[in-house]
Amino acid sequence: DGGITQSPKYLFRKEGQNVTLSCEQNLNHDAMYWYRQDPGQGLRLIYYSQIVNDFQKGDIAEGYSVSREKKESFPLTVTSAQKNPTAFYLCASSVGFDRANYGYTFGSGTRLTVV
Amino acid sequence: DQQVKQNSPSLSVQEGRISILNCDYTNSMFDYFLWYKKYPAEGPTFLISISSIKDKNEDGRFTVFLNKSAKHLSLHIVPSQPGDSAVYFCAALAGGSNYQLIWGAGTKLIIKP
Repeated sequence: DGGITQSPKYLFRKEGQNVTLSCEQNLNHDAMYWYRQDPGQGLRLIYYSQIVNDFQKGDIAEGYSVSREKKESFPLTVTSAQKNPTAFYLCASSVGFDRANYGYTFGSGTRLTVV
Repeated sequence: DQQVKQNSPSLSVQEGRISILNCDYTNSMFDYFLWYKKYPAEGPTFLISISSIKDKNEDGRFTVFLNKSAKHLSLHIVPSQPGDSAVYFCAALAGGSNYQLIWGAGTKLIIKP
């Protein structure tokens, strides 16, 4: 079955450490996205990538970095510069050019907690 | 500037009755709208969508209505069931080559037995 996989589901980070969240999709989707959700809030866009080797900052990119070396993979690194990293992180992908059937497919999320 | 607004953070509805979730938008370039449903600690899942060339789209218990002149859409769930308790996100897509969805803040729907 095609889908999008995020790992790990739960992640604990010590202050000052960088951590990388994995996102892999086998849907052959062109575009991939990283969102952050905080309690009682909506989805805030961190980074997105519409093609391999290209990505753009979203609304809250500070303290985060990404790479898109392969179409299937879009890992997110939460750096020590991110002051409040505890949140639920969601990865999504989409078909870039089919508006009639457009939509995002989401992974099941990673809960990151700073300890 | 919030281009997609869901002004009700939460909504409580009796089981079996109709749930109506609202969404307003400001950008007249939006031409495609989607609703997603999200359970706690899970990713959102696609529910239903509507193109701006339509004013209604129905899928089983779910109907989305679009009023372009008012820049308003609503999601109707009839009848409401306990499994419908979730957060519902409205999202919009602008015309052109940018395929980035613009999201509302979500409405938490609680179905009471």
